[in-house]
Amino acid sequence: QSVLTQPPSASGTPGQRVTISCSGSSSNIGSNYVYWYQQLPGTAPKLLIYRNNQRPSGVPDRFSGSKSGTSASLAISGLRSEDEADYYCAAWDDSLSRVFGGGTKLTVL
Amino acid sequence: EVQLLESGGGLVQPGGSLRLSCAASGFTFSSYAMSWVRQAPGKGLEWVSAISGSGGSTYYADSVKGRFTISRDNSKNTLYLQMNSLRAEDTAVYYCAKEEDSSIAARRGLDYWGQGTLVTVSS
Repeated sequence: QSVLTQPPSASGTPGQRVTISCSGSSSNIGSNYVYWYQQLPGTAPKLLIYRNNQRPSGVPDRFSGSKSGTSASLAISGLRSEDEADYYCAAWDDSLSRVFGGGTKLTVL
Repeated sequence: EVQLLESGGGLVQPGGSLRLSCAASGFTFSSYAMSWVRQAPGKGLEWVSAISGSGGSTYYADSVKGRFTISRDNSKNTLYLQMNSLRAEDTAVYYCAKEEDSSIAARRGLDYWGQGTLVTVSS
């Protein structure tokens, strides 16, 4: 069981907006930055969102992150078929242990 | 361009040992902390260990504490993971990843990942 809680699956049709939630506690999300990673099938994870809501260069502005209290969310607007992947949230815990969510498999219908 | 290339994975018997390496290029290696993250077959990501840029501070997940040792050689731009007393549950793809900062205490994230190396623990 993962320390951060994500829904196991999400889906949407092309062009739709989808959100993925990530729930934690005061010792992890509540007091540390949240990061989001995208893992396309058969590949290594890739940084998607850093420090709660920042996009690395090259990541489309269709992807956005937010954080409130002990929860965070990833939003994907204008959904495209190439967005079909596993998405993971992550944060440090105050015990200096990095924790991940269990991952959300996004399906584009 | 940042590149991280893991090696050293393979099949090992329960109770055995293995050393993973990660060759880094495209950035000033000694200026950044590094981590190992693993992914069991069909499962999610699990952080394993981290080391500061100087190598002076190390951190471990409870699941590997006392069995795994992370280290780095900044003169060779290489990160290592020595894995002892391996168990079936250690079977996973092991990823090397670059931290955003030189210090783990900064509690930042992983901005680049290698392609991973598969470790299989089985008799």
